[in-house]
Amino acid sequence: GENVEQHPSTLSVQEGDSAVIKCTYSDSASNYFPWYKQELGKGPQLIIDIRSNVGEKKDQRIAVTLNKTAKHFSLHITETQPEDSAVYFCAANNQNSGYALNFGKGTSLLVTP
Amino acid sequence: DAGITQSPRHKVTETGTPVTLRCHQTENHRYMYWYRQDPGHGLRLIHYSYGVKDTDKGEVSDGYSVSRSKTEDFLLTLESATSSQTSVYFCAISYTHEQYFGPGTRLTVT
Repeated sequence: GENVEQHPSTLSVQEGDSAVIKCTYSDSASNYFPWYKQELGKGPQLIIDIRSNVGEKKDQRIAVTLNKTAKHFSLHITETQPEDSAVYFCAANNQNSGYALNFGKGTSLLVTP
Repeated sequence: DAGITQSPRHKVTETGTPVTLRCHQTENHRYMYWYRQDPGHGLRLIHYSYGVKDTDKGEVSDGYSVSRSKTEDFLLTLESATSSQTSVYFCAISYTHEQYFGPGTRLTVT
């Protein structure tokens, strides 16, 4: 089945710096790659996604890039703010289970003022 | 949380007892999912549903069953709870690819 690897597991940056989180996937049939932000005690929140026919997508301070050949995708957060502190999860769709997702293990991002 | 509620939000139960968690949506989405979240494992799919009475197994389905008798409700049942089922359980819904998650249920099996 699909295996999604996510790095790093923890990331600490200073306010205003950029943060990059990277993921790799194993199933070449995957064609949808979302990113979720999870704050303490809450459910994951979809923040951005990309499909396999697109190489990059941007929404204000966040962007996602996808390299289908290498089977990796990345989340970029620019001008980080303390409220960006959370756990971030990448995922890839599982073609054998409806639209179900296989998740990475998460990255705990801390933005210090 | 995109019109998704989960109940109960917290539950403590004893080993061997049956437990049912409920997910309710107001979005009329076809697909519904149950995931569990454990430290070091991220989120893992337990079961999913692609319509009323249509369900299938996910990666970690052993010890769990589900039912969907109405579009808006998806129930997860632990027939005989074990300590290894202590976890946070999330329900999610989708129309197609974009999945939206509920607030979660924290289950402790003692």
